[in-house]
Amino acid sequence: AQSVTQLDSQVPVFEEAPVELRCNYSSSVSVYLFWYVQYPNQGLQLLLKYLSGSTLVKGINGFEAEFNKSQTSFHLRKPSVHISDTAEYFCAVSDLNDYKLSFGAGTTVTVRA
Amino acid sequence: DGGITQSPKYLFRKEGQNVTLSCEQNLNHDAMYWYRQDPGQGLRLIYYSQIVNDFQKGDIAEGYSVSREKKESFPLTVTSAQKNPTAFYLCASKADRGLTGELFFGEGSRLTVL
Repeated sequence: AQSVTQLDSQVPVFEEAPVELRCNYSSSVSVYLFWYVQYPNQGLQLLLKYLSGSTLVKGINGFEAEFNKSQTSFHLRKPSVHISDTAEYFCAVSDLNDYKLSFGAGTTVTVRA
Repeated sequence: DGGITQSPKYLFRKEGQNVTLSCEQNLNHDAMYWYRQDPGQGLRLIYYSQIVNDFQKGDIAEGYSVSREKKESFPLTVTSAQKNPTAFYLCASKADRGLTGELFFGEGSRLTVL
């Protein structure tokens, strides 16, 4: 079974500054990787996913993530954040041995003017 | 519009009572899931169903029960055996049982036990 670690629980950032959210996973087999976003009092929605191919994945709202197999990481980045990016972000992993998706504990991003 | 509807949005119950949370989807998805969300713990899988009339326990199934009699419906019952039921509950669905598809989530039900 895999586990997912999001290294930062809270990330405060100023508007128009860049942000990086870190995610590491542990799995002995090939994995599929996802980032989801949750706005206050709502469900989650998919930002982007890595299945195979290019290690740099682009998602919605200007987000991108890079898969690094040797470091077992899938960090999420945005070059310039907006107030509307204030939300909780979840990294998730599934592997070929398991039909379940494992989620990290989440990173709360707060964007200030 | 297609989507997932959870009800009620907020629910209060007394200790010792069972409560059922509703989840309905009109996306024609095969797979459905129930997650529990607690602050600082992310989402933990309670039960999932990949096809009608079949479901499997997730990581924290104790004190919960589900049914999947119809493709579009996957209700969750929180029983009195659940020791710490106060939480935010999220229902999700996926088009198929594969590993690569996107999960679509409802807006959640917040259960508070008094």
